[in-house]
Amino acid sequence: QVQLVESGGGVVQPGRSLRLSCAASGFTFSINAMHWVRQAPGKGLEWVAIISHDGSNKYYADSVKGRFTISRDNSKNTVYLQMNSLRVEDTAVYYCARVTSGWYNWFDSWGQGTLVTVSS
Amino acid sequence: QSVLTQPPSVSGAPGQRVTISCTGSSSNIGAGYDVHWYQQLPGTAPKFLISGYSNRPSGVPDRFSGSKSGTSASLAISGLQAEDEADYYCQSYDSSLSVWVFGGGTKLTVL
Repeated sequence: QVQLVESGGGVVQPGRSLRLSCAASGFTFSINAMHWVRQAPGKGLEWVAIISHDGSNKYYADSVKGRFTISRDNSKNTVYLQMNSLRVEDTAVYYCARVTSGWYNWFDSWGQGTLVTVSS
Repeated sequence: QSVLTQPPSVSGAPGQRVTISCTGSSSNIGAGYDVHWYQQLPGTAPKFLISGYSNRPSGVPDRFSGSKSGTSASLAISGLQAEDEADYYCQSYDSSLSVWVFGGGTKLTVL
């Protein structure tokens, strides 16, 4: 079955960097676009970024544009989120999610999330 | 402030029917982009619930249904059960902002 496992979260000081990973299994990873979605403590879901199946197209939320970079390695079935210049307001659980097919369709599988805490 | 607007909370007694609204604009729901719904049980990751009117993954009962009209969409849950108590989010795409958007979420309480 489809499985997404995030890792790389932790406590980091403002201004520092962190790289999240999302390891996928149970499906042909190279044919699906992938998203990162975050959820601040006690808050709702916020879309962060998307990457196309082959990595050629990437889009970001304004709140992270210029600071975060999404990438993927289809040979390793993994999608990444490089987070630079972290801010306190980036504190959240970060989820990776698979697009069922195409580009605008639903996120049919989600990881369990990894917590990022930005604090001095 | 979310691009898609949901009521913060709704409630209903077991067996009743409740609806959760999701109000957007002409650049998202009104532009014809599908609305997808997710359920998030306490302490867990979101789970895809339904897309459009009745596109449900296996395991999601037909008590859950969707609808859309103009710039709004709704999730209806009939025959409420205690296990339905969760947060519900609508999601779509906004062509003006070129971003994927979520509603602010609605907490469903089963009385």
